[in-house]
Amino acid sequence: EPEVTQTPSHQVTQMGQEVILRCVPISNHLYFYWYRQILGQKVEFLVSFYNNEISEKSEIFDDQFSVERPDGSNFTLKIRSTKLEDSAMYFCASMVANEQYFGPGTRLTVT
Amino acid sequence: GESVGLHLPTLSVQEGDNSIINCAYSNSASDYFIWYKQESGKGPQFIIDIRSNMDKRQGQRVTVLLNKTVKHLSLQIAATQPGDSAVYFCSSTSGTYKYIFGTGTRLKVLA
Repeated sequence: EPEVTQTPSHQVTQMGQEVILRCVPISNHLYFYWYRQILGQKVEFLVSFYNNEISEKSEIFDDQFSVERPDGSNFTLKIRSTKLEDSAMYFCASMVANEQYFGPGTRLTVT
Repeated sequence: GESVGLHLPTLSVQEGDNSIINCAYSNSASDYFIWYKQESGKGPQFIIDIRSNMDKRQGQRVTVLLNKTVKHLSLQIAATQPGDSAVYFCSSTSGTYKYIFGTGTRLKVLA
């Protein structure tokens, strides 16, 4: 069964550093999402992406965040200058027929 | 602001009993609702969805009820099994690509 994959599973970075979180969505899906989940809290929408552009973004998704689909298969989330409060699980999802399939997540720890 | 919230953070049920997990939403324009199951260390997994033109939808052992008058939906799990132990989230959207998640209810199945 096809699935969404994410790398790395765990990323540790120092405050102020740039990180890139990678996702490979399911191949025939056209809608892509990034969410984050701070430990013990709810899943928060960051951004949706369709047809090579952002469809919608939340107030969390400020100028420090960007997304890209560099090669037709990967879907990346970049945080330019990480802050302590960016520490969270980051989930990628791809969607077909209104059903979102989530990846296993990347745990980002900012020290 | 827009929010989707859950009434109880933890629900404990006996194996074999039915479980009812509740969710309240605030945006009256929400027209599509999804229930997700999140097991420890994994991303959310789609369980069942319902559109605002319906008030009930059934799946395998699960039923979602939607009451638009009071902006409330519930997830019923019949004959709860140990494998149902997880955190359950409701999510909603109002015709956009932005999905709002609730806080989550932890379901514990007691043997």
